[in-house]
Amino acid sequence: SAVISQKPSRDICQRGTSLTIQCQVDSQVTMMFWYRQQPGQSLTLIATANQGSEATYESGFVIDKFPISRPNLTFSTLTVSNMSPEDSSIYLCSVDGGPVLPYEQYFGPGTRLTVT
Amino acid sequence: RKEVEQDPGPFNVPEGATVAFNCTYSNSASQSFFWYRQDCRKEPKLLMSVYSSGNEDGRFTAQLNRASQYISLLIRDSKLSDSATYLCVVNSGGYQKVTFGTGTKLQVIP
Repeated sequence: SAVISQKPSRDICQRGTSLTIQCQVDSQVTMMFWYRQQPGQSLTLIATANQGSEATYESGFVIDKFPISRPNLTFSTLTVSNMSPEDSSIYLCSVDGGPVLPYEQYFGPGTRLTVT
Repeated sequence: RKEVEQDPGPFNVPEGATVAFNCTYSNSASQSFFWYRQDCRKEPKLLMSVYSSGNEDGRFTAQLNRASQYISLLIRDSKLSDSATYLCVVNSGGYQKVTFGTGTKLQVIP
């Protein structure tokens, strides 16, 4: 499975500011995903980051709030814009298991965000 | 009805016990099923896939019941290190899209 790193691992931010989270994979992957895990809850898919095209957002998530970049096949960023305390969460990027195992997901260590 | 439902627990079991979790899913067209393990303050990690015929990996057995739309995870001879939250994951239609359950917390006690 791919090795995935995320930066920063954690941050404390003031409301109204923005934070960009980076996700780096050690091999080229077609699909990268961004999830959110709010305290005590399970994972919710925010969007799929596509290389060479705009990200595909899930219901309830919009590009203005969560802009995503995917400049190449090993890297993606997620920005949490104009933050509020409700955005306090763990943000995880993931990749799938490739064409043979497309539904298996492998996660980065996550970014723990606290908004004050 | 939620797409994927799990009993949140916690399940508190003594070392050496056998424990089973169930997970129900609503989309009858789902084809792929998984169990993930998530330790406290860590990312989820794939524990095992669930195959139609059922599958076993050491002390862990996963089964699928399509008629009743649930999957199960059985852990035999529980170890303290098995303490974690176990997430049920089901593909939710669309290529590579999956839905996570809210997880079942297991605490193995000495």
